[in-house]
Amino acid sequence: GEEVAQTPKHLVRGEGQKAKLYCAPIKGHSYVFWYQQVLKNEFKFLISFQNENVFDETGMPKERFSAKCLPNSPCSLEIQATKLEDSAVYFCASSEQQNTEAFFGQGTRLTVV
Amino acid sequence: DAKTTQPPSMDCAEGRAANLPCNHSTISGNEYVYWYRQIHSQGPQYIIHGLKNNETNEMASLIITEDRKSSTLILPHATLRDTAVYYCIVRGANTGNQFYFGTGTSLTVIP
Repeated sequence: GEEVAQTPKHLVRGEGQKAKLYCAPIKGHSYVFWYQQVLKNEFKFLISFQNENVFDETGMPKERFSAKCLPNSPCSLEIQATKLEDSAVYFCASSEQQNTEAFFGQGTRLTVV
Repeated sequence: DAKTTQPPSMDCAEGRAANLPCNHSTISGNEYVYWYRQIHSQGPQYIIHGLKNNETNEMASLIITEDRKSSTLILPHATLRDTAVYYCIVRGANTGNQFYFGTGTSLTVIP
């Protein structure tokens, strides 16, 4: 596709439940990035992929967060046993190469209640 | 680590040029400067990027100082639709190419 598609737009989970977010990068883009925006204006890097390989996972909370980018499937970000502080907008972005611009999706707003 | 420093807010009259400054004094030689903007809570929108030379596209111009420690994004004729938070970002060339977002500048274009 011509744009990064993120689903769902909104997700509500009870504390302790699992949350799974999806991202379809732009066709032909090799790099995928996940960001978390908790407070207005503050973006936290989570993880990046080069194709299906993890490229940089320095921002990923080790215990409850996991992510995958498998061939011929949307990328996914999964949060096991969600906590209230996981409430945020999660953005996915993709870029064609290492130093080309990245295009962001419209985000998934996760609300943990 | 704060990679970039921007003023928290700015106003600009409609039709005038908006000049948004950014300091990135610790930038490495192979790191690019990117500018994105976020309108309301939408996904960040790419504006422009550069390494050393000044760049111009249909949206804006990017002026990078010779020492690369600061840059300015110029919107030549601001419109009300340019009201947004503008992020100056240094992109790590060697660390997963992640974008280091700062806190951005909230630009308000005034009629």
